[in-house]
Amino acid sequence: GAVVSQHPSWVICKSGTSVKIECRSLDFQATTMFWYRQFPKQSLMLMATSNEGSKATYEQGVEKDKFLINHASLTLSTLTVTSAHPEDSSFYICSARAMTSNEQFFGPGTRLTVL
Amino acid sequence: EDQVTQSPEALRLQEGESSSLNCSYTVSGLRGLFWYRQDPGKGPEFLFTLYSAGEEKEKERLKATLTKKESFLHITAPKPEDSATYLCAVQARSEKLVFGKGTKLTVNP
Repeated sequence: GAVVSQHPSWVICKSGTSVKIECRSLDFQATTMFWYRQFPKQSLMLMATSNEGSKATYEQGVEKDKFLINHASLTLSTLTVTSAHPEDSSFYICSARAMTSNEQFFGPGTRLTVL
Repeated sequence: EDQVTQSPEALRLQEGESSSLNCSYTVSGLRGLFWYRQDPGKGPEFLFTLYSAGEEKEKERLKATLTKKESFLHITAPKPEDSATYLCAVQARSEKLVFGKGTKLTVNP
């Protein structure tokens, strides 16, 4: 149980384009989903927290207009990186927390490379 | 500000050589301390949650313990497949997790 998927697992795009990453909880309903970014040899940095049907809460320093988060259902959240630039290249990981649980379960991550 | 410090940054063991990883934390109002395992290029895999000082949890060769200031992840008779980065995270009053930088464990056959 507690399986979280992400799609795509990797993406390469040109500078200035937008990229959408999907995060799905496959076998449970996720009231809250989280988006993290991880740079090489660094730990996970929380970008934003999203609750189903509500606007996401962004961490300080994260541009909400650049990283659009939508949590439309209890099993799906999306992160759209708008007008991506090379400095946005990173490993993006989502996690999901069930209504009755305190644990966060993580997806496999999406490697974004912006050329 | 909530802080998590993990040590050592890297640890090399021979197969069968037991050891411990440390996670020191400073947090106002600990709601939970979490251990995850992360393999290269993958998302973290949940291992344990500890809620109060004195609590212990075990899973195969791993045992996690918690005091008021730190947590230990004990690895007994490790195997090469235990090689990974082990992450510690704390949860304070909000539901956010604050992660340490991790300990990269390498177990040589």
